[in-house]
Amino acid sequence: AQKVTQAQTEISVVEKEDVTLDCVYETRDTTYYLFWYKQPPSGELVFLIRRNSFDEQNEISGRYSWNFQKSTSSFNFTITASQVVDSAVYFCALSETYSTSGTYKYIFGTGTRLKVLA
Amino acid sequence: SQTIHQWPATLVQPVGSPLSLECTVEGTSNPNLYWYRQAAGRGLQLLFYSVGIGQISSEVPQNLSASRPQDRQFILSSKKLLLSDSGFYLCAWSVWGAPGGRQYEQYFGPGTRLTVT
Repeated sequence: AQKVTQAQTEISVVEKEDVTLDCVYETRDTTYYLFWYKQPPSGELVFLIRRNSFDEQNEISGRYSWNFQKSTSSFNFTITASQVVDSAVYFCALSETYSTSGTYKYIFGTGTRLKVLA
Repeated sequence: SQTIHQWPATLVQPVGSPLSLECTVEGTSNPNLYWYRQAAGRGLQLLFYSVGIGQISSEVPQNLSASRPQDRQFILSSKKLLLSDSGFYLCAWSVWGAPGGRQYEQYFGPGTRLTVT
């Protein structure tokens, strides 16, 4: 069965600290996609990144970086020099890649609440 | 560009009353549409998804139903609300067959916060 685990329920850091959010997944598929979403206090989920299982290169976007390691089934998210605006709940998700339903369903982790203190 | 709307933004309803939440998508055709619920402090639960007009799949048996009367409109309904229906309801869309892996991406609306009293 597919599963996404975000063991960190809540993390608090002081502004300008670096913080890493962990995501561990389980799947039997050889091809799959992983995602990170940000949910600010307003509630909307904001898409951050998509990563396919064949691409293990790390990615950096400004202060955000993602470390995908197939060997440990992890897709961790690091925010460098955190800011108060980074305070949000962050969700990791795994998408099925085989479907007879006409759509691809997500398996979400339970989320990690990040609090960045000024 | 594509946008997704949900309304109302917030709703307070008494137990036993009906419910209708609406979601519309602009800027794309024949999207896949999804309804999720997020209970307070918890993760996201997929309730329904739709791959076309009139085509609804239910993921969780419950007090709710969904309909898709138009290509870019998705409605979540209930005839009689329960206290356990309280939560944050999110609509999302994706495009089957989008190139470059984008067909696996889901984009979410602003959500409706429902409180059943």
